[in-house]
Amino acid sequence: AQTVTQSQPEMSVQEAETVTLSCTYDTSESDYYLFWYKQPPSRQMILVIRQEAYKQQNATENRFSVNFQKAAKSFSLKISDSQLGDAAMYFCAYRRFQGAQKLVFGQGTRLTINP
Amino acid sequence: DTEVTQTPKHLVMGMTNKKSLKCEQHMGHRAMYWYKQKAKKPPELMFVYSYEKLSINESVPSRFSPECPNSSLLNLHLHALQPEDSALYLCASSLSRTGGFYEQYFGPGTRLTVT
Repeated sequence: AQTVTQSQPEMSVQEAETVTLSCTYDTSESDYYLFWYKQPPSRQMILVIRQEAYKQQNATENRFSVNFQKAAKSFSLKISDSQLGDAAMYFCAYRRFQGAQKLVFGQGTRLTINP
Repeated sequence: DTEVTQTPKHLVMGMTNKKSLKCEQHMGHRAMYWYKQKAKKPPELMFVYSYEKLSINESVPSRFSPECPNSSLLNLHLHALQPEDSALYLCASSLSRTGGFYEQYFGPGTRLTVT
């Protein structure tokens, strides 16, 4: 079975600075997807970024980028120029490549932005 | 438009009541999901419908009964629930493509309280 581990239950960063959230996972499969979702206090889960395992290039979405290290099974999220609206619970998630499969989530990292 | 809607936003029900949660999307997505999320925990998958057929049931108690009347609508029927079933219930959907499905988009959730 696949597992996802987020070792940082909480993190904080000053507004406008950069923060990196860590995620490791365990799988025996070679093809899969990895995601970062954010869940603000308003509770809606919002997709932040997606990475396909067969792509070597790291995904980026505006201020959000990932460092995908397939051999190390590591998938960290970097948030640049942090904004107050980035405050949320961030979940790393794994999904198998084929079919309508479930997301396997990590336990989450609560990110606080200090003004 | 990546919108998944859920009604109601809040629901309080007694253990002998019967109620239903509703989820709707008009994005042409052919996979729909129900997740249960307890406070400060990641979502846990309950059910997956793929092309209107139940494809995954994560050993959910029979007091939860899913229904997918058409490709845009997903219901979760609730009966004889227990107080420990109080949680945030999230619906998600994903677009199909050859060989699999894209990322999941979540609705805002229904906060359920069982008294």
